[in-house]
Amino acid sequence: EVQLVQSGAEVKQPGESLKISCKGSGYSFNNYWIAWVRQMPGKGLEWMGIIYSGDSDSKYSPSFQGQVTFSADKSVKTAYLQWSSLKASDTGMYYCARTIAASGSDGLDVWGQGTMVIVSS
Amino acid sequence: EIVMTQSPATLSLSPGERATLSCRASQSVSSHLAWYQQKPGQAPRLLIYYASHRASGIPARFSGSGSGTDFTLTISSLEPEDFAVYYCQQRDNWPSTFGPGTKVDMK
Repeated sequence: EVQLVQSGAEVKQPGESLKISCKGSGYSFNNYWIAWVRQMPGKGLEWMGIIYSGDSDSKYSPSFQGQVTFSADKSVKTAYLQWSSLKASDTGMYYCARTIAASGSDGLDVWGQGTMVIVSS
Repeated sequence: EIVMTQSPATLSLSPGERATLSCRASQSVSSHLAWYQQKPGQAPRLLIYYASHRASGIPARFSGSGSGTDFTLTISSLEPEDFAVYYCQQRDNWPSTFGPGTKVDMK
């Protein structure tokens, strides 16, 4: 079965760092891009950016450039999303999703279950 | 950045009725448009890619059409499990952008 499994919910304080994970299985992890999508409470979907699992080539949406860092470790088929200093406005659900190309005709065909991040003092 | 708009914001229908959801892009996205369904507490699910291609396992009652700036998702006959929020996404221009969503709820 093709799936992406994300790490569990996190509760953090402002200023703390955080790294969440997205582990792929059932497919050739290195040949796909992993997209990160934010959903703030009660709101819609926001495109954060994308990373190629094979070589960690990353592209960031301008809204998230400099705010987060993508990484990937193909030896464990896992992509990561990290923050160096969390803000309350980072509170939300974060999804990873698979796509064959950085842009173009295909969609995000496999999604992780989401990781809820709560940032509160 | 391409702005995606969706209408209506909410669509109140009964099971068995036809649902027509619209998505408009602020500039042409060719056919690089996808549709997703999201139910409460769940991750989104890909329904349609490349404007009109059904994703694997998606029932035939879901269909997509359009190109350029105007797109439509049609659900030919609503099943109880189809009541959800639907998002369109353009993947033609960086950064990719999502529409705000259309909620299909039960009348």
